[in-house]
Amino acid sequence: NAGVTQTPKFQVLKTGQSMTLQCAQDMNHNSMYWYRQDPGMGLRLIYYSASEGTTDKGEVPNGYNVSRLNKREFSLRLESAAPSQTSVYFCASSEASLDEQYFGPGTRLTVT
Amino acid sequence: GENVEQHPSTLSVQEGDSAVIKCTYSDSASNYFPWYKQELGKRPQLIIDIRSNVGEKKDQRIAVTLNKTAKHFSLHITETQPEDSAVYFCAASRNNDMRFGAGTRLTVKP
Repeated sequence: NAGVTQTPKFQVLKTGQSMTLQCAQDMNHNSMYWYRQDPGMGLRLIYYSASEGTTDKGEVPNGYNVSRLNKREFSLRLESAAPSQTSVYFCASSEASLDEQYFGPGTRLTVT
Repeated sequence: GENVEQHPSTLSVQEGDSAVIKCTYSDSASNYFPWYKQELGKRPQLIIDIRSNVGEKKDQRIAVTLNKTAKHFSLHITETQPEDSAVYFCAASRNNDMRFGAGTRLTVKP
């Protein structure tokens, strides 16, 4: 039982490049989330998917897109990376909206 | 949207003392309030949570209180130990939309 997994662990991009962060969970959870964490700012919600087939914007969605591929997988895409998107990205999942969120190990992204 | 403020940003206590972290939120429709602990370089992990129909919850040395009227909630850690040293985050959620506080760095001195 791996929980929540994320790939890659580290990534360096040049400004303007695109990439997709992958997330998968094996807990049969309905809800999945993408957060970014910057120093001194806590975690900020980018997008969430309350259930398979639905996605909604969070606090900081600009510059990102998401896809809930199936119940297990939720990907985050940066179409044209900017230095302001340098951050640690965490994926999380939960059984339902008022339940504990389980976090993945994070992806450290640097945009130069 | 929801705004969560957390205080203090840093807290240093002696081993065995109590630690209290306070948060306020702005959206009266928020109905779920978790607390997460994050050690350096690790992922956040839930330590306790409370829902809006409950005023207080306790789990061994950790307790959380919620005042919905005043829109604030607090984390209490008693008999602190060096392994409690970490960054603690409060959060407030309406359905799946969760907003986090900026965090409190707790240091427990042996």
